[in-house]
Amino acid sequence: GAVVSQHPSWVICKSGTSVKIECRSLDFQATTMFWYRQFPKQSLMLMATSNEGSKATYEQGVEKDKFLINHASLTLSTLTVTSAHPEDSSFYICSARKLAGGPQDGELFFGEGSRLTVL
Amino acid sequence: DAKTTQPPSMDCAEGRAANLPCNHSTISGNEYVYWYRQIHSQGPQYIIHGLKNNETNEMASLIITEDRKSSTLILPHATLRDTAVYYCIVRVGMGGGNKLTFGTGTQLKVEL
Repeated sequence: GAVVSQHPSWVICKSGTSVKIECRSLDFQATTMFWYRQFPKQSLMLMATSNEGSKATYEQGVEKDKFLINHASLTLSTLTVTSAHPEDSSFYICSARKLAGGPQDGELFFGEGSRLTVL
Repeated sequence: DAKTTQPPSMDCAEGRAANLPCNHSTISGNEYVYWYRQIHSQGPQYIIHGLKNNETNEMASLIITEDRKSSTLILPHATLRDTAVYYCIVRVGMGGGNKLTFGTGTQLKVEL
């Protein structure tokens, strides 16, 4: 099956610093990637949709200047949490949509998640 | 995408079938029913999806009622490793915006 990898899988940082999380589709090309955030005992909340080569579309209430998303290639999207604070501590999950034209065309695959703890 | 309603939790004995219900009474004709599950501290895992007909794969079976207003995910022989939160999502197929909106899901606990 298609594999989506996130790095790092967990990170601890000091308040005020920025943290970058990578999401890679390892064996397929992804036109669209989605970023979710999940707080303990809650469901996944969509933060933004990123399309390769264009600006991300953010969900209502998500600060685009705080959560910078870059989707520079068909296999990589990054989420940068800028000036992180303890309330940004969460489980961040990406999902990649497989480029049309082959098996599982258009289907969505999820990464393993990245746990961010801001001290 | 249509809203879904699932029980918050269910228990199942290992080796027995786990039947997870989902109501989606406002589903549109072009919306599919998808099931994902999330094991603790991992990303969601795709299980199965369907439009009108019942579907089966190596993981589970999906039974959709004739009026499509509800469905049931069946894990035929649940194991401890099936303990997870199961999400039922209805959405337009693979085209369009394609984003998935997760509800609260059902926490399935499989016990000895």
